[in-house]
Amino acid sequence: DTGVSQNPRHKITKRGQNVTFRCDPISEHNRLYWYRQTLGQGPEFLTYFQNEAQLEKSRLLSDRFSAERPKGSFSTLEIQRTEQGDSAMYLCASSPKIHPAYNEQFFGPGTRLTVL
Amino acid sequence: TQLLEQSPQFLSIQEGENLTVYCNSSSVFSSLQWYRQEPGEGPVLLVTVVTGGEVKKLKRLTFQFGDARKDSSLHITAAQPGDTGLYLCAGANAGGTSYGKLTFGQGTILTVHP
Repeated sequence: DTGVSQNPRHKITKRGQNVTFRCDPISEHNRLYWYRQTLGQGPEFLTYFQNEAQLEKSRLLSDRFSAERPKGSFSTLEIQRTEQGDSAMYLCASSPKIHPAYNEQFFGPGTRLTVL
Repeated sequence: TQLLEQSPQFLSIQEGENLTVYCNSSSVFSSLQWYRQEPGEGPVLLVTVVTGGEVKKLKRLTFQFGDARKDSSLHITAAQPGDTGLYLCAGANAGGTSYGKLTFGQGTILTVHP
């Protein structure tokens, strides 16, 4: 399977703990995105990488959130000192370097985070 | 802040009926994508529309991009139970440095009863 993969698929943690999620994009895609989706809502943009450079961060991404893509391939999203409000589906997407007007993004299955 | 208003939020119909989902904004988008999402899974891309007035068909699904590239619609003909799911529209920014960001509507939950 050559789609976007995310690990773990589910994470249950206690408030105050740190968690890290991993995303492996489609191999030839140089753009990688993180979104957050809560129940009954559409995904909300968190951050975006082109190769290893983090080019945009949403105001939703508080200081407790950090994302990296060190070699321009896989990416990690870390949440420090988790809060109950962080409970959500965290989605990763990737897109190829084509005309920016298209910006077609292909999503992984997501990581469901539950903070107790 | 760009917003996409999607309507209706919920749609419950019988098999064989037709339906239309709308996606509206006051902002111009360089492209608009429609996704379908199953519970517990990520969104799956259905179509991308780029040109104002563009119409694309995918079997029983017809997608239209407004002339001003601010709105879009998804029409399903003769809906089937397999069409059940969450339908999301998402707009890509038309300029500046935000080519990376997609703005999503809140989604339409479609249920098709046999």
